[in-house]
Amino acid sequence: GAVVSQHPSWVICKSGTSVKIECRSLDFQATTMFWYRQFPKQSLMLMATSNEGSKATYEQGVEKDKFLINHASLTLSTLTVTSAHPEDSSFYICSAKAGPYPGDTQYFGPGTRLTVL
Amino acid sequence: EDQVTQSPEALRLQEGESSSLNCSYTVSGLRGLFWYRQDPGKGPEFLFTLYSAGEEKEKERLKATLTKKESFLHITAPKPEDSATYLCAVHPGGGVYQGGKLIFGQGTELSVKP
Repeated sequence: GAVVSQHPSWVICKSGTSVKIECRSLDFQATTMFWYRQFPKQSLMLMATSNEGSKATYEQGVEKDKFLINHASLTLSTLTVTSAHPEDSSFYICSAKAGPYPGDTQYFGPGTRLTVL
Repeated sequence: EDQVTQSPEALRLQEGESSSLNCSYTVSGLRGLFWYRQDPGKGPEFLFTLYSAGEEKEKERLKATLTKKESFLHITAPKPEDSATYLCAVHPGGGVYQGGKLIFGQGTELSVKP
């Protein structure tokens, strides 16, 4: 149980285009999902917290107009990287919290490798 | 300031050589401590959740323990397939953490040689 999927697993795009990444909780409902970015040999960096039916909360320094987050249902959140540039190339990982309480366990997706040419 | 520190940064073991990874935390109020395993190029895989001091959990060769200041991940008789980065994360609870966001340590990179 507690499986989270991401699609696509990898994507290559040209500079200036937009890319959408999907995060789904497959066997549980998640009122809260999180989006992380990870650079090589570094730990996870939280980008934003996504709550179903409301606007996402972005961490300091994360451009909300560049990284659009939509949490349209209890099992789906999407991250759209708009007008992507090479510096946006990274490993993006989502997680879903399996329960209504802040301390409930987060389960992570397998990640999406974005390469912007 | 809320903080999570993992040690060592890297650990090399021979197959069968037991050891422990440490996760020290300084938070205003612990609401959950989580251990994850991450393989290169993959998302973190959930291992354990601990909520209160004195709590212990086991899974195969892994055992996690929790005190009021730190958590240990004990690895008994490790195998090469246990090689991975082990991440510790803490949910402090309250304030900006009400939504459930976690504070992560930098991870311990474990390498087990046959």
